[in-house]
Amino acid sequence: SYVVTQPPSVSVAPGKTAKITCGGNDIGSKGVHWYQKKPGQAPVLVIYYDGGRPSGIPERFSGSNSGNTATLTIGRVEAGDEADYYCQVWDTDSDRPMFGGGTKLTVL
Amino acid sequence: EVQLVESGGGLVQPGRSLRLSCAASGFTFDDYVMHWVRQAPGKGLEWVSGISWNGASADYADSVKGRFTISRDNAKNSLHLQMDSLRPEDTAFYYCTKAYSSSWSGYFQDWGQGTLVTVSS
Repeated sequence: SYVVTQPPSVSVAPGKTAKITCGGNDIGSKGVHWYQKKPGQAPVLVIYYDGGRPSGIPERFSGSNSGNTATLTIGRVEAGDEADYYCQVWDTDSDRPMFGGGTKLTVL
Repeated sequence: EVQLVESGGGLVQPGRSLRLSCAASGFTFDDYVMHWVRQAPGKGLEWVSGISWNGASADYADSVKGRFTISRDNAKNSLHLQMDSLRPEDTAFYYCTKAYSSSWSGYFQDWGQGTLVTVSS
């Protein structure tokens, strides 16, 4: 099955830009989706199909996808952005969704 | 407003069964593929199962195949997950999720608050 890799943790100072990566073989040919998961809360879709932003998600959240790496970028990071972030793709071979292992974003 | 409300979680002994339900509202239920996704304590998100808009087709993660059965009742706007032969490793929060369309592939647009299943003797 398709393997999706994320760094376990990323740290960033408030007001700075955070970049969270999602790696996979030729992931640029797939649509990548991103979810924010805070403790005790349901996951929230923050980016769909590489760079689409659902209504209600701040413009500070953006995404890109090329080659073997997709990236979630969070600009002007706030304390409230501290969460686990998961990327997800659709594995066309198994015809099933695959999640990355998640990245814990810490706001210093 | 889309609402997905799970129920049916609880403490169950290994080898026993449990049936989860998800009550959906705020959208045309039979226009969408539906899925179950779980998160074990301290672990990441794991897709469990999905079902087509009309219930004609379904799929399961290898970890639950043969033990779990997903179903839906479009007349009652409800999604279900019958979990048999439960194992301690099935302990997790189970989330009902709505796909973005009637298309099988894609992303999970809306999520319920989850229901906790604990498998322990």
